[in-house]
Amino acid sequence: ETGVTQSPTHLIKTRGQQVTLRCSSQSGHNTVSWYQQALGQGPQFIFQYYREEENGRGNFPPRFSGLQFPNYSSELNVNALELDDSALYLCASSMSEGSTDTQYFGPGTRLTVL
Amino acid sequence: EDQVTQSPEALRLQEGESSSLNCSYTVSGLRGLFWYRQDPGKGPEFLFTLYSAGEEKEKERLKATLTKKESFLHITAPKPEDSATYLCAVQGSGGYNKLIFGAGTRLAVHP
Repeated sequence: ETGVTQSPTHLIKTRGQQVTLRCSSQSGHNTVSWYQQALGQGPQFIFQYYREEENGRGNFPPRFSGLQFPNYSSELNVNALELDDSALYLCASSMSEGSTDTQYFGPGTRLTVL
Repeated sequence: EDQVTQSPEALRLQEGESSSLNCSYTVSGLRGLFWYRQDPGKGPEFLFTLYSAGEEKEKERLKATLTKKESFLHITAPKPEDSATYLCAVQGSGGYNKLIFGAGTRLAVHP
């Protein structure tokens, strides 16, 4: 069974640029969630995709957007990067069935904005 | 508003010295409480899911318990390889399965 993978591992950008992060979900999972984790903090929910549709969104501005593809892989796009966007970006996949699903995380992408 | 608070922020133990980590939560309609382990610069690793008050789960030296207001992660006779940040998260009845995390407890186990 293949786990959740993310690319790239590290990324350095400058203010105002745009970035795309990628995630491949665990085999058999149909839901992908994205989280932002600042240093020393717990992960903060950005949004979730279920069967290619955005299923819920946290308190993040519209310049954070995403996609989910038919194979359930996903992208997170961030436009007009700001210094505060520097963080570890985590993707988690799950099999949404019933009222609760356990989310399994990838290794993350460390984004540095200069 | 759903909220998770973990204590202590950091904990230093000697190898073999048992202790407990606390996770207090407020949530509208708890659907699940989750414990994860996170090593520096890595993604969280799933440990346990608890669904209702009174439930307990064990894995090696770790045991998680749940009440209506808090959860405890008990670590028995820890080893240096148990050093990590332990994260607690809840899923409420908000209509989709987002996780709300606490800030974590940084555990250091010294030989």
